[in-house]
Amino acid sequence: QVQLVESGGGVVQPGRSLRLSCAASGFTFTTYGIHWVRQAPGKGLEWVAVISYDGANKYYADSVKGRFTISRDVSKNTVYLQMNSLRAEDTALYYCARDYHYGDHWGQGTLVTVSS
Amino acid sequence: EIVMTQSPATLSVSPGERATLSCRASQSVRTNLAWYQHKPGQAPRLLIYGASTRATGIPARFSGSGSGTEFTLTISSLQSEDFAVYYCQQYNNWPLWTFGQGAKVEFK
Repeated sequence: QVQLVESGGGVVQPGRSLRLSCAASGFTFTTYGIHWVRQAPGKGLEWVAVISYDGANKYYADSVKGRFTISRDVSKNTVYLQMNSLRAEDTALYYCARDYHYGDHWGQGTLVTVSS
Repeated sequence: EIVMTQSPATLSVSPGERATLSCRASQSVRTNLAWYQHKPGQAPRLLIYGASTRATGIPARFSGSGSGTEFTLTISSLQSEDFAVYYCQQYNNWPLWTFGQGAKVEFK
């Protein structure tokens, strides 16, 4: 069955970096794009970034543009979110989701806390 | 940027009652609209796509309608497991997504 498992979250100081991973299984990885979506404490879902099935196209929300980078490693069936210059407002539960135009499968999320 | 607005923010419902949630887009998204159910500590669950098509395994008590800028999610007879937060999401300008702010269905 389709599985997406996020990892890499943790507590980090403002201005530092963190890399999240989304490990995919149960489907042909090279056929689907992958999104990152986050939920800040007490808030709703916010789309963060997407990478196309072949890695050729990447898009970002304005709130993270220039600071976050999405990438994928076909050999590991994994999508990454490199987060640099982290801010307190980046504190959130980060989910990855498989792209079917909408999100048909989601992971359970990994928590990122940006705090001094 | 397309803005999605959901109403009401909170809906208090008793089990067995009907729940109706609304979602409005700031410009037409045709029928490129999905609904998700989200419970604390769980992955969001796709309920509806194409504004009205139930995803695999979703019970028939969930139904979606609408097109253009006005959409509705209806739960015909609320079950205990349906108390959750519901989000609408447009994918008309895919691959960019926009979510509504969410609507909480709580026990009355």
